[in-house]
Amino acid sequence: GQQLNQSPQSMFIQEGEDVSMNCTSSSIFNTWLWYKQEPGEGPVLLIALYKAGELTSNGRLTAQFGITRKDSFLNISASIPSDVGIYFCAGQLGRTSYDKVIFGPGTSLSVIP
Amino acid sequence: DVKVTQSSRYLVKRTGEKVFLECVQDMDHENMFWYRQDPGLGLRLIYFSYDVKMKEKGDIPEGYSVSREKKERFSLILESASTNQTSMYLCASSPSGQVTNYGYTFGSGTRLTVV
Repeated sequence: GQQLNQSPQSMFIQEGEDVSMNCTSSSIFNTWLWYKQEPGEGPVLLIALYKAGELTSNGRLTAQFGITRKDSFLNISASIPSDVGIYFCAGQLGRTSYDKVIFGPGTSLSVIP
Repeated sequence: DVKVTQSSRYLVKRTGEKVFLECVQDMDHENMFWYRQDPGLGLRLIYFSYDVKMKEKGDIPEGYSVSREKKERFSLILESASTNQTSMYLCASSPSGQVTNYGYTFGSGTRLTVV
């Protein structure tokens, strides 16, 4: 079945550093989503991408929909301690709420003050 | 503040017990989902529902069942709990429609331990 891979699996960075993580698939997706899960909470949607090549920002976060439609990237600039959490990518073949969402295994981010 | 509420944050149950995990959303969403989250495996879909009294199997439905008698409530049932069902369980909801701008709204999760 469809699977998503995320790298790195975990990251330990100094406060103020920039962060890059990616998500790859052997299948094409038409929607890419990035979620963040803080400790003890459920995932929260950060960014949604709908078009190949699209670049979307949300504050210090920037995500890109890969032109092959098989990957997506998330960057966090000038990290702060509250960026700690697990970042999940998710892919959808379609754009309706009825299209199955596939989640990646997550990238765990730790920020050292 | 709109939300998805899961009735328990932590549960400890014995092997063989019947376990009910409750989820309620106040956003009038049509779609509701149950996932389990395990380290390194991400979120795996157990069951979902697009309407009241409707249910569909996800990727790992074995050992689970669900109930959706009211639009706002989606219950996950472990018929006979086993130790390999020890996990974090996440409920989510979403509106139906053509656009997924809002993604899923997740509850805070229930960490279930089966001993």
